[in-house]
Amino acid sequence: GAGVSQSPSNKVTEKGKDVELRCDPISGHTALYWYRQRLGQGLEFLIYFQGNSAPDKSGLPSDRFSAERTGESVSTLTIQRTQQEDSAVYLCASSSLAGVPLGTDTQYFGPGTRLTVL
Amino acid sequence: AQSVTQLDSHVSVSEGTPVLLRCNYSSSYSPSLFWYVQHPNKGLQLLLKYTSAATLVKGINGFEAEFKKSETSFHLTKPSAHMSDAAEYFCVVSALTDSWGKLQFGAGTQVVVTP
Repeated sequence: GAGVSQSPSNKVTEKGKDVELRCDPISGHTALYWYRQRLGQGLEFLIYFQGNSAPDKSGLPSDRFSAERTGESVSTLTIQRTQQEDSAVYLCASSSLAGVPLGTDTQYFGPGTRLTVL
Repeated sequence: AQSVTQLDSHVSVSEGTPVLLRCNYSSSYSPSLFWYVQHPNKGLQLLLKYTSAATLVKGINGFEAEFKKSETSFHLTKPSAHMSDAAEYFCVVSALTDSWGKLQFGAGTQVVVTP
């Protein structure tokens, strides 16, 4: 079946511009997550959605970052007034929380969007 | 608080020899632990996970990991490395909050396989 998809796969932008990154989770997955991976580093958590609410936004690095989710479907991560330090791969994941103990669900990752801010 | 430490940033092995990737965790309760693999220009893929059932967990592609509570370790092993195993591997612990299991990723171990 279809996995998590993200678009665009690559985005090059100029410093100060706004960008929107899109994530399509696996159909039926209640939970959706955004992460950032800087070059040579592990994943940095950004935000978690359960349905269309975001119980945990603690990883968003600044108020330039925001995210929305429509129902249990598409999510958009928006970065306003991009800075060079925003350059990274942005990864989206989704999981089904149904019938599993808290914290044991498997997150399925998309291929990521590589953002380059010039 | 929960955390995970991958003890080697790079591991180089010869094809056909065993692979050992070391991971230690810190948790105030019995955690869920995962290993993910990331091949170049590809998404993260789950190799295996431990969720308080059997302490020896078998995953895909011949990998397995053993949960050792006394040593707070979850090392990943494979008896015989294949060229296709060259990738970055992440040890991950699930840290329970009030409402969800937040994944905390280790810094990663880059595996190089030589012929």
